[in-house]
Amino acid sequence: SQQGEEDPQALSIQEGENATMNCSYKTSINNLQWYRQNSGRGLVHLILIRSNEREKHSGRLRVTLDTSKKSSSLLITASRAADTASYFCATGRSYQKVTFGTGTKLQVIP
Amino acid sequence: NAGVTQTPKFQVLKTGQSMTLQCAQDMNHEYMSWYRQDPGMGLRLIHYSVGAGITDQGEVPNGYNVSRSTTEDFPLRLLSAAPSQTSVYFCASSTDRDTETQYFGPGTRLLVL
Repeated sequence: SQQGEEDPQALSIQEGENATMNCSYKTSINNLQWYRQNSGRGLVHLILIRSNEREKHSGRLRVTLDTSKKSSSLLITASRAADTASYFCATGRSYQKVTFGTGTKLQVIP
Repeated sequence: NAGVTQTPKFQVLKTGQSMTLQCAQDMNHEYMSWYRQDPGMGLRLIHYSVGAGITDQGEVPNGYNVSRSTTEDFPLRLLSAAPSQTSVYFCASSTDRDTETQYFGPGTRLLVL
């Protein structure tokens, strides 16, 4: 079964707005990662947050992690049309068996 | 570096046929894995390998075989294709035990009639 579940399933915003998507997971983790997938392409790693971290930034990306609630959020600020993609969270407890959520499909309208 | 490469990009099979999806990486990564992606299901792990000669099952291994004779290659074999195996298949590799960041190939789109 899927470890992570993203919410919402789909999100449509205007260029320049912020986009927030959430991920919930079921079991304890060592880290949580976010990936982006452009249509018809493979996944690309965006950012990783460890279980002992609460917030992490990378450019226009901000990720938070609440291990007590088993949830994470990804914020994309000042969105661009090029941000249109699906976003997945992935959780790993060991070197093996990283599991992915079902994804949030983001559409940024120019 | 070419990264992770997959062939073919697209394949049509008839039910009962067998085929091998190829995956290769030139980054000397220890860990390689195969996922399938279906609409609304995210990515599900089929098989993975932590090094040459070592493979293990993931979440949905039935109907698939893998082997890892070299560090670079990790082929996925469909033994007797079924329509339920229609999907997009992604291969990924990783070297960092700590971060588990994976690098993905471009995918193989498989249609089983």
